[in-house]
Amino acid sequence: EVQLVESGGVVVQPGGSLRLSCAASGFTFDDYTMHWVRQAPGKGLEWVSLISWDGGSTYYADSVKGRFTISRDNSKNSLYLQMNSLRTEDTALYYCAKAAAGISYMDVWGKGTTVTVSS
Amino acid sequence: DIQMTQSPSTLSASVGDRVTITCRASQSISSWLAWYQQKPGKAPKLLIYKASSLESGVPSRFSGSGSGTEFTLTISSLQPDDFATYYCQQYNSYSSFTFGPGTKVDIK
Repeated sequence: EVQLVESGGVVVQPGGSLRLSCAASGFTFDDYTMHWVRQAPGKGLEWVSLISWDGGSTYYADSVKGRFTISRDNSKNSLYLQMNSLRTEDTALYYCAKAAAGISYMDVWGKGTTVTVSS
Repeated sequence: DIQMTQSPSTLSASVGDRVTITCRASQSISSWLAWYQQKPGKAPKLLIYKASSLESGVPSRFSGSGSGTEFTLTISSLQPDDFATYYCQQYNSYSSFTFGPGTKVDIK
């Protein structure tokens, strides 16, 4: 069974840092692009970042560019999101998602991990 | 960046109704559009990709159409399990996989 399990979400103060993790199983992790998507409380979905299968290409939403860094460790079947200079507007449920073939839409999603930025 | 809009924002319907949701892109995205269903407290679920291709396991009452800048998601006969929020998403531009704002389908 294809599975994605996010972790690392906590309450953090504005200006703080956090690293989210996503453990993948049930598929050949290093064959696929991976995404992070977030959803603020009561709001819609916002794409955050993607990383290609080999880590060679990364893209970010303008709202997080320069503050967040996506990475992966294919030897550990894991995806990461390093979040620096956190703002209250970064408060959200963060989903890890697997892309379908190539750099494309998300066909498998995790259940998410909650990040709360508050003083 | 490509902007996505959806209409309506909320739709009230009854079981058995035919439901249509529209998604528009601010510039042409060819057929690089996906539709997702999200229920409260759950992760999104992929329904449609490449504008009209049905994801495996998704009931055939769901269909998608369109290309360029205008797209539709149709539910041919609304079922109780279909009350949810639906999002479109463009994947034409790698720099921003923009989602639409969502359409909530609720019980009339």
